[in-house]
Amino acid sequence: QSALTQPPSASGSPGQSVTVSCAGTSSDVGRYNYVSWFQQHPGKAPKLLIYEVNKRPSGVPDRFSGSKSGQTASLTVSGLQAEDEADYYCSSYTDSTHNTVVFGGGTRLTVL
Amino acid sequence: EVQLVESGGAFVQPGGSLRLSCAASGLTVSSNWLHWVRQVPGKGLVWVSRINSDGSHTNYADFAEGRFTASRDNTKNTLYLQMDSLRVEDTAVYYCARDRVLGSGSCDSWGQGTPVTVAS
Repeated sequence: QSALTQPPSASGSPGQSVTVSCAGTSSDVGRYNYVSWFQQHPGKAPKLLIYEVNKRPSGVPDRFSGSKSGQTASLTVSGLQAEDEADYYCSSYTDSTHNTVVFGGGTRLTVL
Repeated sequence: EVQLVESGGAFVQPGGSLRLSCAASGLTVSSNWLHWVRQVPGKGLVWVSRINSDGSHTNYADFAEGRFTASRDNTKNTLYLQMDSLRVEDTAVYYCARDRVLGSGSCDSWGQGTPVTVAS
């Protein structure tokens, strides 16, 4: 069961934009538009930021946006704020063996 | 307001069993796809299992196949994860989550997690 590939860390200054990538395969990101992004602060449960590649649940600021090109999905955080410092995870539906959902390894976003 | 509350996490020896519960309020388990996801403290999220809205279909990660069983009790509005033949590497915080898009992993509601420790 291979995880999606994310960079372990990313950083940016307040007000800047940062993009986090999520590389998959033709069995997951490349085939399905079921890519989600989650934010997790230390000691807290994950929070859904983006689903179906680029849709935002109600209450999620439009500073968070998602996209996909081929087998790689991306999360962009615009207008970075201090409270955006957290771990970010992507996930995708997959048709690989039994597994139906696969997560990325996570990216620690630091606001400088 | 949707709320999911996990319970049942404990310290157990290798080879032992545990049943985790996930009590739901603000949503009906029989109308939702639900997942179990685990996380070793300091590490990433790992998908464990999902169960469809009528409970007729379940899927498991490779490491859980044959050892874990997801089920639901609609009368109690509760999701369960029966974990047998536990291994040290099953040690993690276990979360239940509601999927807003047909089991795709678009989990918009999560519980607070329940810790499981497998050690001798």
